[in-house]
Amino acid sequence: ETGVTQTPRHLVMGMTNKKSLKCEQHLGHNAMYWYKQSAKKPLELMFVYNFKEQTENNSVPSRFSPECPNSSHLFLHLHTLQPEDSALYLCASSQGSSGRSQETQYFGPGTRLLVL
Amino acid sequence: SQQGEEDPQALSIQEGENATMNCSYKTSINNLQWYRQNSGRGLVHLILIRSNEREKHSGRLRVTLDTSKKSSSLLITASRAADTASYFCATDGDTGGFKTIFGAGTRLFVKA
Repeated sequence: ETGVTQTPRHLVMGMTNKKSLKCEQHLGHNAMYWYKQSAKKPLELMFVYNFKEQTENNSVPSRFSPECPNSSHLFLHLHTLQPEDSALYLCASSQGSSGRSQETQYFGPGTRLLVL
Repeated sequence: SQQGEEDPQALSIQEGENATMNCSYKTSINNLQWYRQNSGRGLVHLILIRSNEREKHSGRLRVTLDTSKKSSSLLITASRAADTASYFCATDGDTGGFKTIFGAGTRLFVKA
């Protein structure tokens, strides 16, 4: 176990549904990340939060809405998704202290999302 | 295009053999990391090498970095079936901060 948990592990939703992915880290880190991993594509960074403030938004469509209420929790709210959004969504955390150099990230097991 | 590009895309070897994976990138970096991912799971950090380092070891892992060629290699010695996984390099590009760019990965299969 890496100290980062994600729920649910699997999710099937229709295009009109609203759902949320949850990530929690027990490492005392201050930075948290959302990634999307599609088949045969590199891991894509979506959002980064550091000390609860969003520091990166990698041109993600507005149907994905992140929320970071505190340094230990990160949510990804989903609404009106498309079938091409089906992927493995990975959460990660890192120390978040420097902000100047890439830090080692600790990943959760991911949520496998299928949009019908 | 992607910052990190791994080569080969897939590699199949016998247990006990060495496995070498390469990564090329396009911009200057502060450091480069290698991660491993077992099928359908999260990534696990293996090793970080800084731009002023040329080689680093961790157990059966050896990583080299050639900033003049913008490339890195990961060598796994005496491979085991449990090493079967996908391996990714990750860089911070030239922006530093928290932006991390992953390559497409090398799928390694170690036959027992």
